[in-house]
Amino acid sequence: AQTVTQSQPEMSVQEAETVTLSCTYDTSENNYYLFWYKQPPSRQMILVIRQEAYKQQNATENRFSVNFQKAAKSFSLKISDSQLGDTAMYFCAFPTNFGNEKLTFGTGTRLTIIP
Amino acid sequence: GAGVSQSPRYKVAKRGQDVALRCDPISGHVSLFWYQQALGQGPEFLTYFQNEAQLDKSGLPSDRFFAERPEGSVSTLKIQRTQQEDSAVYLCASSPGTSFNGNEQFFGPGTRLTVL
Repeated sequence: AQTVTQSQPEMSVQEAETVTLSCTYDTSENNYYLFWYKQPPSRQMILVIRQEAYKQQNATENRFSVNFQKAAKSFSLKISDSQLGDTAMYFCAFPTNFGNEKLTFGTGTRLTIIP
Repeated sequence: GAGVSQSPRYKVAKRGQDVALRCDPISGHVSLFWYQQALGQGPEFLTYFQNEAQLDKSGLPSDRFFAERPEGSVSTLKIQRTQQEDSAVYLCASSPGTSFNGNEQFFGPGTRLTVL
């Protein structure tokens, strides 16, 4: 079975600092996408960043970047210059297998940015 | 443009009642998904539609759960004879294409169902 593991249930960091959220996964596929979604308190889940497994270059979106280690099946999210609005649940997710539409999500990391 | 909307936002049901949860996806989105999110957990897949066709219902936990999307737009998730373990947030998401090809899923605000 395809799995996604987020080993940090909760994290907190001071505003303006950098924080890294970890995610490992298991798949037998060779090419796929990986996603980080953010779910702010009482608000809708939104996409933060995505990474194509075939690309060696790590994806970057403004203050958000990933460290993708394909061989290790690791997909961590780095948030630089953290802001109060980054406080949220963060979920790592990926499509279960080729041709399958559904996303498998990790259990999430609750991130709190401290003023 | 408008995002994914869901109604009602909150639903309280007595055990044994039937409920119907509605999802309005983004206009033109082919793919529609239902997920169940228990408190403190990640979303878990329930079912998937491509237009009006239900291509995957492997995540529906029992035959009390039923989903439809008759015209390829609005979708309804129906739960019959609700049980306490059905209490969760039900998320709807839509997408213009496949997640395997990197398409983003756009989520609605969810319906929080509480079964007493």
